[in-house]
Amino acid sequence: NAGVMQNPRHLVRRRGQEARLRCSPMKGHSHVYWYRQLPEEGLKFMVYLQKENIIDESGMPKERFSAEFPKEGPSILRIQQVVRGDSAAYFCASSSRDGEIYEQYFGPGTRLTVT
Amino acid sequence: AQSVTQLDSQVPVFEEAPVELRCNYSSSVSVYLFWYVQYPNQGLQLLLKYLSGSTLVKGINGFEAEFNKSQTSFHLRKPSVHISDTAEYFCAVSEGYIPTFGRGTSLIVHP
Repeated sequence: NAGVMQNPRHLVRRRGQEARLRCSPMKGHSHVYWYRQLPEEGLKFMVYLQKENIIDESGMPKERFSAEFPKEGPSILRIQQVVRGDSAAYFCASSSRDGEIYEQYFGPGTRLTVT
Repeated sequence: AQSVTQLDSQVPVFEEAPVELRCNYSSSVSVYLFWYVQYPNQGLQLLLKYLSGSTLVKGINGFEAEFNKSQTSFHLRKPSVHISDTAEYFCAVSEGYIPTFGRGTSLIVHP
């Protein structure tokens, strides 16, 4: 049973470009959570999605950031017009049931560097 | 609102020595408590969790933690560490499905 997959593992973007981060949940999981980890800080919740629905986006910056989890395919976290402050590690987690945080399984993360 | 404080940003220790990583939290309601380990360039792996019941929780890799409600603490312990335990450790607290993570404690095990 494959774990949570994230790609790319490393992404370099110039200021002003777009970044697309992908997350494939564990088989059988239909709930996805995105977190951001800034250097020397803990993870910060960004958004919680189910298939075709955003359940909670209270941690998402109001501008430039968006997330989706389509009926088919991976969940996508999109950052438009990236700035240096977006440089961070972005982690995805998945679970099989609604809001069961103790059943969240984390992916290896995507490390975004904005130059 | 919930918050988590990990008092030590770095804990150096010699191999085979015992270690305690401290975690205090604040919350106005019942919470779930977690410890995660993060090895370099990897995602978080759940070490152990407290949901209810016995206050002493045993996890993977020989780690255990004790929930102390009166002191609002959830310290992580291991009686004898190994070089391979060198990693970042995160305490997390949740009142629902959104966890709040501490800033992490870097455990450095020296030979």
